[in-house]
Amino acid sequence: DAGITQSPRHKVTETGTPVTLRCHQTENHRYMYWYRQDPGHGLRLIHYSYGVKDTDKGEVSDGYSVSRSKTEDFLLTLESATSSQTSVYFCAISGFVIILREKGSYEQYFGPGTRLTVT
Amino acid sequence: GQQVMQIPQYQHVQEGEDFTTYCNSSTTLSNIQWYKQRPGGHPVFLIQLVKSGEVKKQKRLTFQFGEAKKNSSLHITATQTTDVGTYFCAGPVSGGYNKLIFGAGTRLAVHP
Repeated sequence: DAGITQSPRHKVTETGTPVTLRCHQTENHRYMYWYRQDPGHGLRLIHYSYGVKDTDKGEVSDGYSVSRSKTEDFLLTLESATSSQTSVYFCAISGFVIILREKGSYEQYFGPGTRLTVT
Repeated sequence: GQQVMQIPQYQHVQEGEDFTTYCNSSTTLSNIQWYKQRPGGHPVFLIQLVKSGEVKKQKRLTFQFGEAKKNSSLHITATQTTDVGTYFCAGPVSGGYNKLIFGAGTRLAVHP
C-alpha cells in the first residue's frame, strides 16, 4: 500500500461544529484528492490539489474547504458540520502515468478512510 | 453533466459461478480504470485500459474496453470468496485528465 495515512480514523461531532480531517502522504505525489463515499453514490470528489497551495473544487464541494501548505499534507475542513456530511471520507494521491503511446490517467492510491458521524 | 453508470448495483453468486459488471459512460473516455474495495477497506487500483477494444486479463479477471470507448466490463471466472467486495469503474473527468469520475460500484457477494 502507498504511504497514505488519514486522521482521525473515526470521529463523532455535533451539528454546527468545525471539523478538520488530515491526509498525510510519504510518496511525494503531486496530486491529492478528497472523496466522500455514501451508499448508492460511489466515490464523489470534494476537492483536489495539484500542488502546494493549488486546489480546486470537485462535484460536491459545498460546505467544505481544503488547504495544502506542504506536499505531504492535505487538510479537509467542514466549516460547520451538518448531518448530511455524515459519511466515509477517503483521501487519495496520484503521481505519474505509465502509458507510453496513448493518453492515460494517473491511477489513484487511497488512504484507509475516516468515518465521520455528525449528530 | 458527465455520468458513469454501473450495473448491476448488487449481485450475489455461488462460489464457482461467473460474475460480470458493466460500466457505461455518457461521454467517450480516453481511458478507464477499475478499482476494488473490500468490505471495510479502501479502494484499490486494479487496472487501466486505454485502447479501443482492449482486453486485459489478471488471472481470473478479464477487463474489456468497448470499441467506442464508452463502455467497459469486468468479468470474473469461477468466483471465490476472496472476490467479495465492491468493484468501481472510473473515467477521466472531461477536460481534466488528473481527475476521475467514479461509477456507483457493483457489490459482489459470494456464497460458499
